[in-house]
Amino acid sequence: DTGVSQDPRHKITKRGQNVTFRCDPISEHNRLYWYRQTLGQGPEFLTYFQNEAQLEKSRLLSDRFSAERPKGSFSTLEIQRTEQGDSAMYLCASSLGLGRESGYTFGSGTRLTVV
Amino acid sequence: DAKTTQPPSMDCAEGRAANLPCNHSTISGNEYVYWYRQIHSQGPQYIIHGLKNNETNEMASLIITEDRKSSTLILPHATLRDTAVYYCIVRGDNDMRFGAGTRLTVKP
Repeated sequence: DTGVSQDPRHKITKRGQNVTFRCDPISEHNRLYWYRQTLGQGPEFLTYFQNEAQLEKSRLLSDRFSAERPKGSFSTLEIQRTEQGDSAMYLCASSLGLGRESGYTFGSGTRLTVV
Repeated sequence: DAKTTQPPSMDCAEGRAANLPCNHSTISGNEYVYWYRQIHSQGPQYIIHGLKNNETNEMASLIITEDRKSSTLILPHATLRDTAVYYCIVRGDNDMRFGAGTRLTVKP
């Protein structure tokens, strides 16, 4: 499978716990994006990487959220001290980063439920 | 913030063409129009994109008006499996901003 992989698919956690999600992009894609999607809404941009550099962060990405892409390949998104409002689908996408003609390939997402 | 406006929902009869409109009146000259769709509980799936000219692929056709302020996605023969939320996006340099999309329901 050469698509974007996300792990886990589902995560249930208690409020206050930390969670970490992983995204494996398409291997030749140098850009990686994280989005969050709540019920009935479109995906909301969180952050993106070009190789290992994190180039933009949305103001949705509070200080409890941290994303890394240490070797320019896979990425992790960590949420510390989870809150019920963090319950959402977290989507990862990758692209070749060749500008506006380069589309994104999305993974299937990680659905987080904070109880 | 999304730079597009789409109707929240549409219905289409199975086997008929589905025409999904999108307004993007503030689009810049070098911004592309992208269409994605999302079937329940899955990630968005790329459909088609274009700059100025009409485009067609195996999934759909994209018609962009001459002034580029609006576009229409056409699914020529809609099937029940085309029921999804369809997103029209104006592609900036560094990210894609999604709106709420159009929920298309294909009915038998």
